[in-house]
Amino acid sequence: KAGVTQTPRYLIKTRGQQVTLSCSPISGHRSVSWYQQTPGQGLQFLFEYFSETQRNKGNFPGRFSGRQFSNSRSEMNVSTLELGDSALYLCASSRGGGTHNEQFFGPGTRLTVL
Amino acid sequence: QQQVKQSPQSLIVQKGGISIINCAYENTAFDYFPWYQQFPGKGPALLIAIRPDVSEKKEGRFTISFNKSAKQFSLHIMDSQPGDSATYFCAATPSGSARQLTFGSGTQLTVLP
Repeated sequence: KAGVTQTPRYLIKTRGQQVTLSCSPISGHRSVSWYQQTPGQGLQFLFEYFSETQRNKGNFPGRFSGRQFSNSRSEMNVSTLELGDSALYLCASSRGGGTHNEQFFGPGTRLTVL
Repeated sequence: QQQVKQSPQSLIVQKGGISIINCAYENTAFDYFPWYQQFPGKGPALLIAIRPDVSEKKEGRFTISFNKSAKQFSLHIMDSQPGDSATYFCAATPSGSARQLTFGSGTQLTVLP
């Protein structure tokens, strides 16, 4: 079974630009969550999508948004990039539903904002 | 954001020794406590998880001990191996937001050969 795929793996942008990151979950998984990982703040939850609907959202500004498509693939968008947005962005997929299904993480997209 | 406090920040253990990482939480709504292992260049991978209705769970060389009254839980790695060298994260999630993980700050474990 293929794992979680994230594209691109590396990205360099400049301040003020916007960026879109993509995540393809494990086949059959309907839940996709996004996390930001930085040395200073650690791993922080951004949002979760299930069946194309955002179910939970972390404490991030509105510049961070996402969506999920009918095939469960998800995209995350960051507008008006700031230097502090430089981070590893991780996507995690799970079957979803009400129980604590295991989340499988992708390798992440390393975003550098110059 | 509800916190999960993790210690130590780094840990060096000899091969064959026991590695112990501790976490404490504040939010009593948390009801699922997983531990993740992350190698450089990889995403975190679930190692073992526990619910508060049990005090201990063991899987191979990995054991979680859970103290509900103290709101603390810990990971014990028995017979630590150099291949266990990685960053370990404790996490917690409430039942109402099953996939909204709150992570500890991480422990970088080095197992010396």
